[in-house]
Amino acid sequence: DIQMTQSPSSLSASVGDRVTITCRASQSISTYLNWYQQKPGKAPKLLIYAAFSLQSGVPSRFSGSGSGTDFTLTISSLQPEDFATYYCQQGYSTPYTFGQGTKLEIK
Amino acid sequence: EVQLVESGGGVVRPGGSLRLSCTASGFTFDDYGMGWVRQAPGKGLEWVSDINWNGGSTGYADSVKGRFTISRDNAKNSLYLQMDSLGAEDTALYHCARALRYCSAGGCSSGASDYWGQGTLVTVSS
Repeated sequence: DIQMTQSPSSLSASVGDRVTITCRASQSISTYLNWYQQKPGKAPKLLIYAAFSLQSGVPSRFSGSGSGTDFTLTISSLQPEDFATYYCQQGYSTPYTFGQGTKLEIK
Repeated sequence: EVQLVESGGGVVRPGGSLRLSCTASGFTFDDYGMGWVRQAPGKGLEWVSDINWNGGSTGYADSVKGRFTISRDNAKNSLYLQMDSLGAEDTALYHCARALRYCSAGGCSSGASDYWGQGTLVTVSS
């Protein structure tokens, strides 16, 4: 199975900050990488698929990049509603494994 | 509006069985693959299983292979997860999700989930 490792596990930032979360796959997954946002008590929300494609309705301050084994999710200017937990997921082969999550907290 | 509503969760003893259901609306059900993702209390997301549009292809996490069976009834717009030989490690909130099929770099994937239900809680306890 492909292992997905996110860093950092948690992050404190302020409104307006630029934030980057990284995700590393244990083998090459081309650009089959997805990012989700989850708020407490809510279902996950798809933000980005295919490494850099923005899901419909997601603000343009979210962007994704990378290919092969190394990927990043960037939030260009943090808004209050962005404080949540973020997960990467590989879509290269089943089982479609998730990273362990990155909790983004208010500084 | 796309809606996915799970049901069938509850408390079950170790070794027991449970069948989860997910009823879909707001889209053409048999145009999409579907899947299940679970989340243990206070933990991260774990992909469990998926099924293609006509039920002809299925996939499972190693942790549930041989114990769980995914199926669908397109006439009823419904997805199911039959869970047998349950253990404490299966305690989680189980989400039904619609697969987003996308093509990239010369191939295609159904590994993203673009709509999710709110989940049904399964607790395995004696």
